[in-house]
Amino acid sequence: AQSVTQPDIHITVSEGASLELRCNYSYGATPYLFWYVQSPGQGLQLLLKYFSGDTLVQGIKGFEAEFKRSQSSFNLRKPSVHWSDAAEYFCAAKDNYGQNFVFGPGTRLSVLP
Amino acid sequence: GAVVSQHPSWVICKSGTSVKIECRSLDFQATTMFWYRQFPKQSLMLMATSNEGSKATYEQGVEKDKFLINHASLTLSTLTVTSAHPEDSSFYICSARAVNDQPQHFGDGTRLSIL
Repeated sequence: AQSVTQPDIHITVSEGASLELRCNYSYGATPYLFWYVQSPGQGLQLLLKYFSGDTLVQGIKGFEAEFKRSQSSFNLRKPSVHWSDAAEYFCAAKDNYGQNFVFGPGTRLSVLP
Repeated sequence: GAVVSQHPSWVICKSGTSVKIECRSLDFQATTMFWYRQFPKQSLMLMATSNEGSKATYEQGVEKDKFLINHASLTLSTLTVTSAHPEDSSFYICSARAVNDQPQHFGDGTRLSIL
C-alpha cells in the first residue's frame, strides 16, 4: 500500500541551528511530493513541492528539500532555524494521476531560544 | 491510533445537485477540523477551518454560500457543495485535531466529479 512515513515525531533544535526533517515514501512509481507546515490553530501551508526535474527544490521561508529516488526520501532542510519555524511539518505524496493523496504523520518542531 | 473517516470516497453527480461530504473522528473528539481542496497536479488549498459549535472561518476566495460547513458535534463535520457545477470537481480532504497541541489526522479524501 502507498504510504508516507516521517520517522521523527518531535524534534527540538536551538535557534540558528540547522534542521533536517525526514520523509520516506512507498509508492509504485515516483509520486508528486510536498512539504506542508501547520502553525498552531491554522491550516496547512505549502512550503514546497516536487513534480520532476531538479531534485533539489527550493521553497518558501528558506526551506529546501532534496528528492532521492534511491532512498525513496524527500527530506526537508533549513540551514538556520528561526523561532517562528516552530510548528508541525507534514510530508505528503500523491501519484501522477491525482489520486491517493497521502500524508505522513507529521513532525513537531520545537525551537529553543 | 487516531482515525479520521471521510465519506464518501468518490461521488459522481449531475450538475445542479448538492453533495454532502462527511468527516468523522472515530476515536477522539475533534475540536477543530480543516477542509482542503486540491486541483489536478496542484497542492492542497485550505478552504475553511471549523471549530465545534462555531461558524467556520473561510479562506479568502472561498464562497461560504457555495461550500457549507457544519461542525455540530465533536466527532462530525460536514461539507456541502451546493448547486454543484463541473468546476467544483476536485479532491476534497478533511483533517481533524483534538486540541491545538495535538497531532492532526487526515481523512482519505473524497473525489467529487460533477457531470
